[in-house]
This record gives sequence, C-alpha cells and structure tokens, in this order.
Amino acid sequence: DVVMTQSPLSLPVTLGQPASISCRSSQSLVHSDGNTYLNWFQQRPGQSPRRLIYKVSKRDSGVPDRFSGSGSGTDFTLKISRVEAEDVGIYYCMQGTHWPPWTFGQGTKVEIK
Amino acid sequence: EVQLVESGGGLVQPGGSLRLSCAASGFIFSNYWMHWLRQAPGKGLVWVSHINNDGSGTSYADSVKGRFTISRDNARNTLYLQMNNLRADDTAVYYCLRDYQGLEYWGQGTLVTVSS
Repeated sequence: DVVMTQSPLSLPVTLGQPASISCRSSQSLVHSDGNTYLNWFQQRPGQSPRRLIYKVSKRDSGVPDRFSGSGSGTDFTLKISRVEAEDVGIYYCMQGTHWPPWTFGQGTKVEIK
Repeated sequence: EVQLVESGGGLVQPGGSLRLSCAASGFIFSNYWMHWLRQAPGKGLVWVSHINNDGSGTSYADSVKGRFTISRDNARNTLYLQMNNLRADDTAVYYCLRDYQGLEYWGQGTLVTVSS
C-alpha cells in the first residue's frame, strides 16, 4: 500500500499570512495513463470533508484561488496564499493512483494563532 | 445539484449487522464509480470500499474484507454497504462518495456505533 505522510501535523497561522502543507508518498504517484492522482481535502470542524484540489493542481469549482496545489512524483504541496478564518480545519492529501486501497495522509490541523 | 444522502447508521452490538444506504441525486448515477469511506471519532479518513459504475467490479480494505459487501441499484440511484460481524473498531461515521477524477463529492455521513 502507498503510505502518505503529511507535515506538519499542526499548523498555527496568522490571519492574512501564507500557509503550506507538505505531502509525500512512499512511491511515485504517476499513473500509467500519465496522470498523477493526488487530491487535497478540507474538513472544517463538524463538517464533511470537501475536495479542494484534484490531479495535483486542479482546483474544484467554488474553491477560492488562494488555494493552490503543486508537486510531482512523490512530493506535493498545498499552499494557502493568505489564510482566512474560514480556512480553519484539517487538511488531508490522498492518492488514487495505486489502488486498492486509496490512501490518505494523517491530516494537518490548521488553526489561527 | 449533486446530493448524496446516507442512512442506516445506528447502535449495534458486536457481531451484529447493519445495511447502509446512500441515495444519490443531481447526476447520472450509473455513470460513476462510488465509494464508502469512514472516519472514527477524532481520527482520520479511511477508505473502505469501491464499486464500478455497473457493479461488476468491487474492492475492499483489508480490515473489512469478508465482512462488508458493497452494491448498487442503478435503477434506484442508490449505493449500499452491507456490514456483517461488526466489531468495536468499525465504529465511525461512514461517508458515501462519488468518484470523478478521484474522490469528489461527499455525503453528510451516517454514524455507526458498535457497542454492547
């Protein structure tokens, strides 16, 4: 199984400042079809998760452009350019290249300082 | 608008069974793979099972293999998860998801509690 490792696990941030979360996979996530199936999810307190980013860098509809995804191979990053209060929550990366199983990172808790 | 509404959760004793349902609307259900995931209280996200669009292909996490069965009724736009021989560590919120370029839309979840 592909192991997804996120860092940091806790991220205190100041409103208006940038934030960055790293996600590393135990093997390359490049699929034989040429795509890289790496997603990012946000889970606000008390809510279901929602997808922010798919295929490394494609933003889902309605996701603010302050969220961006990047990376390749085994190293990926989610960046928030300017953190807002509504961004508080837990962020998960997930791979869908080598399945089953689909596997998630441990989650990174973003909170306001 | 895509909607996924899970139901069927509740309190069950160890060794018991439950059947979860997920009613889908707002899209052509038969065109999409579907998944079940779960989240134990205060824990992270764990994939449980997937089914392809016509039901001919399924897969399971090792922790549920042989105990859980995923199925779908495309005429009723409904996804199911039959859970047998439940254990305390199956206690979690269970989510139904649509797969499009990866796990996409999530339902609101249904809580399954396994306890005596």
